[in-house]
Amino acid sequence: TQLLEQSPQFLSIQEGENLTVYCNSSSVFSSLQWYRQEPGEGPVLLVTVVTGGEVKKLKRLTFQFGDARKDSSLHITAAQPGDTGLYLCAGGRSSGSARQLTFGSGTQLTVLP
Amino acid sequence: GAVVSQHPSRVICKSGTSVKIECRSLDFQATTMFWYRQFPKQSLMLMATSNEGSKATYEQGVEKDKFLINHASLTLSTLTVTSAHPEDSSFYICSVPIGQGVYFGPGTRLTVT
Repeated sequence: TQLLEQSPQFLSIQEGENLTVYCNSSSVFSSLQWYRQEPGEGPVLLVTVVTGGEVKKLKRLTFQFGDARKDSSLHITAAQPGDTGLYLCAGGRSSGSARQLTFGSGTQLTVLP
Repeated sequence: GAVVSQHPSRVICKSGTSVKIECRSLDFQATTMFWYRQFPKQSLMLMATSNEGSKATYEQGVEKDKFLINHASLTLSTLTVTSAHPEDSSFYICSVPIGQGVYFGPGTRLTVT
């Protein structure tokens, strides 16, 4: 059972367009992390959000943690070909092993020039 | 700069042999490290939690006698795939929790022939 559902699974857009990726769960997480992964490489941490309703911005990327800490979104403004990659959300739990993450199913983004 | 390194980045071995993968935390001490595997076009699946000074904790369905984990020091964890089979071919990634974030190594591509 996938605890974190990401949508869409695949997204292909033209350079300059905006997009939003969603990460949803029925479970509450103590933190939510977003990563970007390129082929043959490990995931690179983009942001960590820990407070319900929290919004963080990283240049053209805006991340939001849902009020109930069950969902999150990633919005990219004016996408560029360099944004292409696999975007993964990951929920962290405060119980159990320290910062053990549950990963979403991933969103493969392709930005066409 | 990178905070987690892995070695080797790629390895090819024959069926029945064993392969050791190293994960190092650079500049940070880590009492806990995590090992994941990732199949093509799929998300990351947690295999085990490596604990410095104690036994690793394995996820359900992961054979502890096949995937040996040794957390040798506060900066090094090793994963040994014993008696490798072609179905063990995968991308193996380690991660280290640092502060509020969890940082991943660059991954090791294992191919068993």
